Amino acid sequence: DADVTQTPRNRITKTGKRIMLECSQTKGHDRMYWYRQDPGLGLRLIYYSFDVKDINKGEISDGYSVSRQAQAKFSLSLESAIPNQTALYFCATSEGQGLFKPQHFGDGTRLSIL
Amino acid sequence: EDQVTQSPEALRLQEGESSSLNCSYTVSGLRGLFWYRQDPGKGPEFLFTLYSAGEEKEKERLKATLTKKESFLHITAPKPEDSATYLCAVMRLAGTALIFGKGTTLSVSS
Repeated sequence: DADVTQTPRNRITKTGKRIMLECSQTKGHDRMYWYRQDPGLGLRLIYYSFDVKDINKGEISDGYSVSRQAQAKFSLSLESAIPNQTALYFCATSEGQGLFKPQHFGDGTRLSIL
Repeated sequence: EDQVTQSPEALRLQEGESSSLNCSYTVSGLRGLFWYRQDPGKGPEFLFTLYSAGEEKEKERLKATLTKKESFLHITAPKPEDSATYLCAVMRLAGTALIFGKGTTLSVSS
């Protein structure tokens, strides 16, 4: 089983709809992240959380919100989806102690907004 | 402005033809540099972390090196299964998240 699981893997929806992407992890990591990946732009950080009570905006948080339901669960919401939010979305986790540790990624959610 | 630039954007090699990928960076204090491999339809897979200039890491046919301005990912005698997109990312001393480059897509043909 994957250590970082994202659901759904693919989603097609319409402009204006509310969408939630979910991420769960079995790695026991405190830190969780949401990124989006667009062709030619690379990975960009949307939100991150260092523990259940800590939520921080990343580089491109406008139009998105998050919820950290538990240490192992971090969800991303698009309140009113728009076409330019069509992208590949990744959740990642990392340990919180010592030298900065690498992030470990799920396999992504491909989101298309028509 | 903090920036990570990877070159080339794409690289085609014959099996056994060694080469290097480049990652140049400008950040306000480097806390760590990370190399990832990404296959189509998959998330990035962690390869290496380098923390200080002069450091080197190796794994099978891959070797990563770090200077004060850039990192190289050397691929020795590549095989078709090494075909993937390789991503470089840096963490700033004052930052809390990774800054990614756009990646180099490597194709190795037999």
